[in-house]
Amino acid sequence: EDQVTQSPEALRLQEGESSSLNCSYTVSGLRGLFWYRQDPGKGPEFLFTLYSAGEEKEKERLKATLTKKESFLHITAPKPEDSATYLCAVQAWNFNKFYFGSGTKLNVKP
Amino acid sequence: EPEVTQTPSHQVTQMGQEVILRCVPISNHLYFYWYRQILGQKVEFLVSFYNNEISEKSEIFDDQFSVERPDGSNFTLKIRSTKLEDSAMYFCASSEEGGLSGNTIYFGEGSWLTVV
Repeated sequence: EDQVTQSPEALRLQEGESSSLNCSYTVSGLRGLFWYRQDPGKGPEFLFTLYSAGEEKEKERLKATLTKKESFLHITAPKPEDSATYLCAVQAWNFNKFYFGSGTKLNVKP
Repeated sequence: EPEVTQTPSHQVTQMGQEVILRCVPISNHLYFYWYRQILGQKVEFLVSFYNNEISEKSEIFDDQFSVERPDGSNFTLKIRSTKLEDSAMYFCASSEEGGLSGNTIYFGEGSWLTVV
């Protein structure tokens, strides 16, 4: 069965303290892996799409990488405004639906 | 920047009542979706819709649920007889296409449904 597991569940960082979030997946043929940011009571906001192992995408303080079994979201020198839940989702071949992980709740303290 | 809009943002309804959640997807998108998120749980797929018909649905999407594209801009989710366990945030989403490459899905801000 297709599955997505994110770790850690929660992460507290000091402002400027870099770290990484993990998304492990098992899927019958990866069509795409997606990272979203979700603020409380809001819809997921698109960050990145990764299609194949070795691919990397960057946006401001965030960088997403992909291997055949997992993806990492690296946060460099985070700021308090980066505090949110970060969601990982995968899409398998022949399906349009996304399988979401439970998310990592990031709290960045000033 | 184009966005998916949803109404209402919050609805409280009595158990057994019918509810319609409305969405306006991004205008040039062809695929439409409903997802839901029960408080504290994962975002779960309900249904995808393309070319005026359902293309995929999950086990959650039983006979109590239906979707419709009544005109060229709106996309609706109807829950015929709400149950307490239907209380959740419902997200509408859309994507440009559903071709061979992975398609980015853009989500609306959600409709929070509370069934009492």
